Amino acid sequence: GAGVSQSPRYKVAKRGQDVALRCDPISGHVSLFWYQQALGQGPEFLTYFQNEAQLDKSGLPSDRFFAERPEGSVSTLKIQRTQQEDSAVYLCASSLRHRSGANEKLFFGSGTQLSVL
Amino acid sequence: DQQVKQNSPSLSVQEGRISILNCDYTNSMFDYFLWYKKYPAEGPTFLISISSIKDKNEDGRFTVFLNKSAKHLSLHIVPSQPGDSAVYFCAASQGGSEKLVFGKGTKLTVNP
Repeated sequence: GAGVSQSPRYKVAKRGQDVALRCDPISGHVSLFWYQQALGQGPEFLTYFQNEAQLDKSGLPSDRFFAERPEGSVSTLKIQRTQQEDSAVYLCASSLRHRSGANEKLFFGSGTQLSVL
Repeated sequence: DQQVKQNSPSLSVQEGRISILNCDYTNSMFDYFLWYKKYPAEGPTFLISISSIKDKNEDGRFTVFLNKSAKHLSLHIVPSQPGDSAVYFCAASQGGSEKLVFGKGTKLTVNP
């Protein structure tokens, strides 16, 4: 596809359940980012990959959150033992070059809305 | 502690008039600023950016102004169109970092 694709679009989980969120970045994009957007807030940085290397995971809120991008394309964000405070929209974004923010636009997917009951 | 603040949750303007969205930041190390636009059920899309070495950047109907001494930037849309109705996020980064720090957003409504 032409844009960043995320699945599922919506996910309802019971508290304590594990979930996996998928991101297909734009083909050829080197950098991949995960952001978390709580209701009424702006997106907050979670983690960043350059190809398959996870270069920054400082935004992951706890060790229940884990992200991977084993072949440098598709990425999965996994949340173990979900809690109600994990309810948010999880946005994936990609960019062409390895340095974003400064001169490279991020292309965002539509997000996965996670609701933990 | 919010480093990027958008103090107006919403703004309503008439079609054809100017829309001015404001953003303040506290981190003096930020050197690159961006505006993203978000429609419901979609991801944010890049709109316009400005480097700290400039004080103005223009792209069609959109102009971003940066006042470094006041740690303030603004987005001007003129003339405003109903299709501009969306949530606008201000974002900032430092030192070419891949991390963007976002504000909470301002919902703009342009009335026909």
